[in-house]
Amino acid sequence: GDSVTQMEGPVTLSEEAFLTINCTYTATGYPSLFWYVQYPGEGLQLLLKATKADDKGSNKGFEATYRKETTSFHLEKGSVQVSDSAVYFCALGGNQFYFGTGTSLTVIP
Amino acid sequence: NAGVTQTPKFQVLKTGQSMTLQCAQDMNHEYMSWYRQDPGMGLRLIHYSVGAGITDQGEVPNGYNVSRSTTEDFPLRLLSAAPSQTSVYFCASSQTRKPNTGELFFGEGSRLTVL
Repeated sequence: GDSVTQMEGPVTLSEEAFLTINCTYTATGYPSLFWYVQYPGEGLQLLLKATKADDKGSNKGFEATYRKETTSFHLEKGSVQVSDSAVYFCALGGNQFYFGTGTSLTVIP
Repeated sequence: NAGVTQTPKFQVLKTGQSMTLQCAQDMNHEYMSWYRQDPGMGLRLIHYSVGAGITDQGEVPNGYNVSRSTTEDFPLRLLSAAPSQTSVYFCASSQTRKPNTGELFFGEGSRLTVL
């Protein structure tokens, strides 16, 4: 069945460091791919999405490209800030939504 | 904008007790769903609904019941609480009946502890 595997955390980075969080998926058909972010004590909110192969989603300096050949949707940011500290979830939208296990990111000044 | 509202935010139950987690959305969304979030397991779908009067099971439905009598409300009932149901529960809704291409809007979560 459909599933998502994402990089385990926690991840700790210094401010202005480069961020990559890996995400790969297994799916039948042509799913949409998403990154959601969860700040402490809050629900999840959509960070970015891509609905077809080679699409690039971007928001708030974060980017991810839908790669069908490698079944991946890695999240990247060139320079992280303390305010980016959160848990990041990769998700696949097929027959249903399937979420990865989440990657906790802490950015230290 | 209220969005998706969940109540209560915190609840402690004893084993065997029953309770209902409430979820309401004011965006006229057709699709509503319940997830549970457990450490190291991400979010798992419990039940979902694609419209009033229509519900279906997700990945982990056992021990939970739902109904959808109105577009706005989608309560989750725990019939006889067990410690394994200790978790954080999220309600989410989407504008589209098939949520796979649309954005899910989440409530702030309900933290349930079963003793």
